[in-house]
Amino acid sequence: KQEVTQIPAALSVPEGENLVLNCSFTDSAIYNLQWFRQDPGKGLTSLLLIQSSQREQTSGRLNASLDKSSGRSTLYIAASQPGDSATYLCAVGPQEYGNKLVFGAGTILRVKS
Amino acid sequence: EAGVVQSPRYKIIEKKQPVAFWCNPISGHNTLYWYLQNLGQGPELLIRYENEEAVDDSQLPKDRFSAERLKGVDSTLKIQPAELGDSAVYLCASSPPLNTGELFFGEGSRLTVL
Repeated sequence: KQEVTQIPAALSVPEGENLVLNCSFTDSAIYNLQWFRQDPGKGLTSLLLIQSSQREQTSGRLNASLDKSSGRSTLYIAASQPGDSATYLCAVGPQEYGNKLVFGAGTILRVKS
Repeated sequence: EAGVVQSPRYKIIEKKQPVAFWCNPISGHNTLYWYLQNLGQGPELLIRYENEEAVDDSQLPKDRFSAERLKGVDSTLKIQPAELGDSAVYLCASSPPLNTGELFFGEGSRLTVL
């Protein structure tokens, strides 16, 4: 059974700092990996989707990498801003059906101004 | 384009009462998902529909939970009777007819059982 772990569980940083969120998964037979953002009381918004054949994806200040063989992904946020404060969730899609996502518990990020 | 719409956003009921949640997916999305999210946890899949067929309901507690997706568009998730442990956020998501892993989530229905 696929298990997804996110470290740290919570992170507080001053504005402007670069930061890294970590995600690990136990079964490397994945179809894709996705990072989501969730604001309090809201649904999930997709940030970056990496297919299993890819090594990384970038969107603005966000960069996500994938090392399938070691079961790891990182989300790098450059020059953090208070508006980045949210919960960040990592999810993996299994090979047999990439849309059946298995989620980690998330990292709660607070960026202080 | 409208996103995934869910209602109600919040519901407070007493235990043993029934409750229902409604979801309208993005137009053209044939796959619909219901996820359960407990406080401080990631979402867990309850049921997945391909059009009107439930193709994966292995994690749906069938003794008290039921779902339907008539005509392959809107969907309803029902709990009867509700228990204290059902307090959580129920998220609906939809995806287009491609296996890309791209899911679009609604804002969720937060249930509190007293």
